[in-house]
Order: sequence, then C-alpha cells, then structure tokens
Amino acid sequence: EDQVTQSPEALRLQEGESSSLNCSYTVSGLRGLFWYRQDPGKGPEFLFTLYSAGEEKEKERLKATLTKKESFLHITAPKPEDSATYLCAVQAIDNAGNMLTFGGGTRLMVKP
Amino acid sequence: DSGVTQTPKHLITATGQRVTLRCSPRSGDLSVYWYQQSLDQGLQFLIQYYNGEERAKGNILERFSAQQFPDLHSELNLSSLELGDSALYFCASSPQGRTEAFFGQGTRLTVV
Repeated sequence: EDQVTQSPEALRLQEGESSSLNCSYTVSGLRGLFWYRQDPGKGPEFLFTLYSAGEEKEKERLKATLTKKESFLHITAPKPEDSATYLCAVQAIDNAGNMLTFGGGTRLMVKP
Repeated sequence: DSGVTQTPKHLITATGQRVTLRCSPRSGDLSVYWYQQSLDQGLQFLIQYYNGEERAKGNILERFSAQQFPDLHSELNLSSLELGDSALYFCASSPQGRTEAFFGQGTRLTVV
C-alpha cells in the first residue's frame, strides 16, 4: 500500500526565515511525486511534479527536490502570503488510473 | 482559477437524504477525479472517470456513486447520508497524457 508521511505537521516561521518541509513516501514504483498548496476552504493548487531521484524544480521562493525515499520543499525567505498547507502526493506506476495518495500536509504560518 | 468548476459550493442536508455534486472539468480534459477531505482522514481518492468510463476506484462507499456524461461533466451522488459524510468534496481533472491533476474549489457538505 502506498504511504506518504509529511513532517512537521505545523511550522511557524518569521518572514525571511528559510526552512524545509519533508515528505517521506513508500510506493511500489513511483510514477510521479506532486506538491500542492492549499489555502483554507480552497482546493489544492498544483505546484510541482517530480519524476526521478535527483530532479529539482523551482518556482519563486519554492524549490522541490526528490530522492528515492523522500522529497523536500525548500522555502527561501518566505513571506506571509506563503502561509498555507502544503500537500505532498504520490502516483504509483501500477495504478490503473492516475489516482494520487496524499500525505497529511504541513501547515505553514509565516509571521511578518 | 484552475478551470475546474464545482457546484454547489456549500450544501447542508439532513441525515438519510441524497445529494448530487456537480463538476465541470477544464476544457479538453478527459479525466475526472473525485476526492473527499475530512479533518481526520485528509484527502482521500474516491473514483476516477476517463472519457465516460470508470477508470479507477478508491475508498468509495457503496452509498456513493458517480458518473461522467458525454459532455465530460461529472456528478457524484451521495445517498443515505450520515453525519460522518460531512466533508469537503473535490473534483479534479487532468489533461490527456499528463499526470498532474487540477482541483476545483470544492463542495462543503454538512450533514445535520
């Protein structure tokens, strides 16, 4: 069974204080690892897809990296508007469809 | 705006009742997914349709059913509702040949 564990559950940062969010996963064969951002009461917003170990993707202050067992979302010099829940999900090769298995998320709060 | 439209945004109903949630995918997307998000379970995959056919099934209760119509919109039917069915229900769609899914803003269902 595919499993995704995110840590920490919650993270408080001061504006400008860089940090990393962790996503550990177990999957029979990885088709892709996905990062989403979710604001309260809203739908998840797609950020990145990573396909193979060593791959990195960047978008503004966010950088996602992937190893064979985990992924990191690095946040550089965060701003209050980066406050949200960040969700990690995996898609397995042996899925009949393209279903995503999500982790529990990391709730990020950035204080000015 | 992801381009995925869900209606209604909010729904309050009594136990034992039946409701229908509607989803219009992004233009051109053939795959539609339904997910449930509750406080204790996180985001859980329910079911996927591809061009009108069921493609994959997750932890969907027998009381729940879905379909995708020829115009590609989808409906999720929830019947014999229980208090525990209260949750956010998200629809997502993905482009053909791509792995990432784009989520709608969700329907918040409250069963009283």
